[in-house]
Amino acid sequence: AQSVAQPEDQVNVAEGNPLTVKCTYSVSGNPYLFWYVQYPNRGLQFLLKYITGDNLVKGSYGFEAEFNKSQTSFHVKKPSALVGDSALYFCAVGDMGGGFKPIFGAGTRLFVKA
Amino acid sequence: DAGVIQSPRHEVTEMGQEVTLRCKPISGHNSLFWYRQTMMRGLELLIYFNNNVPIDDSGMPEDRFSAKMPNASFSTLKIQPSEPRDSAVYFCASSRGQGVNQPQHFGDGTRLSIL
Repeated sequence: AQSVAQPEDQVNVAEGNPLTVKCTYSVSGNPYLFWYVQYPNRGLQFLLKYITGDNLVKGSYGFEAEFNKSQTSFHVKKPSALVGDSALYFCAVGDMGGGFKPIFGAGTRLFVKA
Repeated sequence: DAGVIQSPRHEVTEMGQEVTLRCKPISGHNSLFWYRQTMMRGLELLIYFNNNVPIDDSGMPEDRFSAKMPNASFSTLKIQPSEPRDSAVYFCASSRGQGVNQPQHFGDGTRLSIL
């Protein structure tokens, strides 16, 4: 069975500092991995995805994530955080053997302090 | 391009009433998902359609909940009768293909309050 874990409920970082939001996963086949961001009173917005190819993927708003197969992780990072990055971040994983739907993590709230 | 459109954005109704939530997916998308989000339970997948056919409804909480997709450009989620514990934000999302390896595009949700 496929699963995804976001071990931190909240991440706090100062503006201008690098940020990392963690995600680990478990699938039976090759994973399809996604990050989404949710701002208040809005739906989730797609940030980036890993399907195949380079382990480092770049996404919207300066975010990037590294696929690490040995550690089954897909952490999202940004070199310099902005106050406007404060939001709820969701990791999602799917694989064709797990049915035709991705599984979402519980979400991590990112708080960037000015 | 227009995104996923949900209506209404807010709904307040009394317990026992029928509630119908509506969704217009992005044109050309084959997969449609209905989610429910609450503080206590997070984001829950209720049902998933592919090419207008329900594929997985294992997340639908009770028989009071039903969903339809009569055509590629419209879906409804109905609750009858509604209960206070149904209060949540309900999201609709659509994606290309079969959904597992394509990003989902979410609407801005319907905030439902059952009194």
